[in-house]
Amino acid sequence: EDQVTQSPEALRLQEGESSSLNCSYTVSGLRGLFWYRQDPGKGPEFLFTLYSAGEEKEKERLKATLTKKESFLHITAPKPEDSATYLCAVPGNQAGTALIFGKGTTLSVSS
Amino acid sequence: GAGVSQSPRYKVAKRGQDVALRCDPISGHVSLFWYQQALGQGPEFLTYFQNEAQLDKSGLPSDRFFAERPEGSVSTLKIQRTQQEDSAVYLCASSPTRGEHWANVLTFGAGSRLTVL
Repeated sequence: EDQVTQSPEALRLQEGESSSLNCSYTVSGLRGLFWYRQDPGKGPEFLFTLYSAGEEKEKERLKATLTKKESFLHITAPKPEDSATYLCAVPGNQAGTALIFGKGTTLSVSS
Repeated sequence: GAGVSQSPRYKVAKRGQDVALRCDPISGHVSLFWYQQALGQGPEFLTYFQNEAQLDKSGLPSDRFFAERPEGSVSTLKIQRTQQEDSAVYLCASSPTRGEHWANVLTFGAGSRLTVL
């Protein structure tokens, strides 16, 4: 069964304190791994797609990396506005029309 | 519109009542998805439309859940005889493509929060 597991569930950082979020997955034939950001009361907002092991994508203070079994979202020198829940997802059904999401990591950055 | 619009944003229902949740996707978007997000959980897939055709309803938890998109634009998710376990945020998302990279351009609405008492 296709699964996505994220850790930690919650992470508290001081402004400027870099860290990483983990997303491990088990799927039969990866067709992409997606990272989303979700703010309270809003829907998920697309951040990155990674397709193959070794691939990296960057956006401002965020960098996503992918191995054959997991992905990391590295946050460098975070700011309070980076506080949100970060979700990762993979296409999980045969048709590839459904995303399977992890439970997310809730990041809080204090100044 | 500029984004995916969902209404109502908040709905309180008594157990046993029927509810209808509306989704207005971005104009011209071919693909439309419904997801259910329970508190503290990630979104879970419910159903998928390509234009007016419901191509995948494998995620609907029971026959009390029904979705339609009759003209290939607005979609309605209907829940009959609501139960407390139906309490969740229902997210709608749309994509302009049905091709390989549909998820790269997937836009979610803010969701409809359903509370069943």
